[in-house]
Amino acid sequence: GAVVSQHPSWVICKSGTSVKIECRSLDFQATTMFWYRQFPKQSLMLMATSNEGSKATYEQGVEKDKFLINHASLTLSTLTVTSAHPEDSSFYICSARTGVNEQYFGPGTRLTVT
Amino acid sequence: AQSVTQLDSQVPVFEEAPVELRCNYSSSVSVYLFWYVQYPNQGLQLLLKYLSGSTLVKGINGFEAEFNKSQTSFHLRKPSVHISDTAEYFCAVATTYFDMRFGAGTRLTVKP
Repeated sequence: GAVVSQHPSWVICKSGTSVKIECRSLDFQATTMFWYRQFPKQSLMLMATSNEGSKATYEQGVEKDKFLINHASLTLSTLTVTSAHPEDSSFYICSARTGVNEQYFGPGTRLTVT
Repeated sequence: AQSVTQLDSQVPVFEEAPVELRCNYSSSVSVYLFWYVQYPNQGLQLLLKYLSGSTLVKGINGFEAEFNKSQTSFHLRKPSVHISDTAEYFCAVATTYFDMRFGAGTRLTVKP
């Protein structure tokens, strides 16, 4: 089946720095990619939707200047958390949609900001 | 926007007993419905999905769900659970754009 990878799987960064998370569709081209955030013992919250070559669409309440999303190709989307703070610590999960109504989730990236 | 409510935050059951995890949704447009399972510190695994067609959907690991449009529900069932089914279960609803909204999750705990 289709595989979506995320890199890194776990990252620790200092407060005030920026961190980039990659999401790749390994064996298919993703028309759309989604980014979700999950706090401990909570549900997934959709942060933004990105289509290749166009600007991401952010959900209400998500700071677009803080969470920069770049969908550079049909197989790669990146989420950059700028000027990270401890409250940004979370589990970030991406998903990729194929052209035939299938969606696959990545394994997630755990971000810890110290 | 569409939304989903999982009616039980925790469901404890004994091994080999049947289980039902309840999910209701709301939307003004046609939706797709999904159930995912998440084990600790892991990503999501798709159990089953309803896109169209038969309202009874069978998934992996012996799970099934029934789409009930009049009740706006998509309850997940398994006739006999195992210890290994202990996990967090998420119901999700999406429009045709696959912009998923997840429920709060149901923690299924299977006791020996």
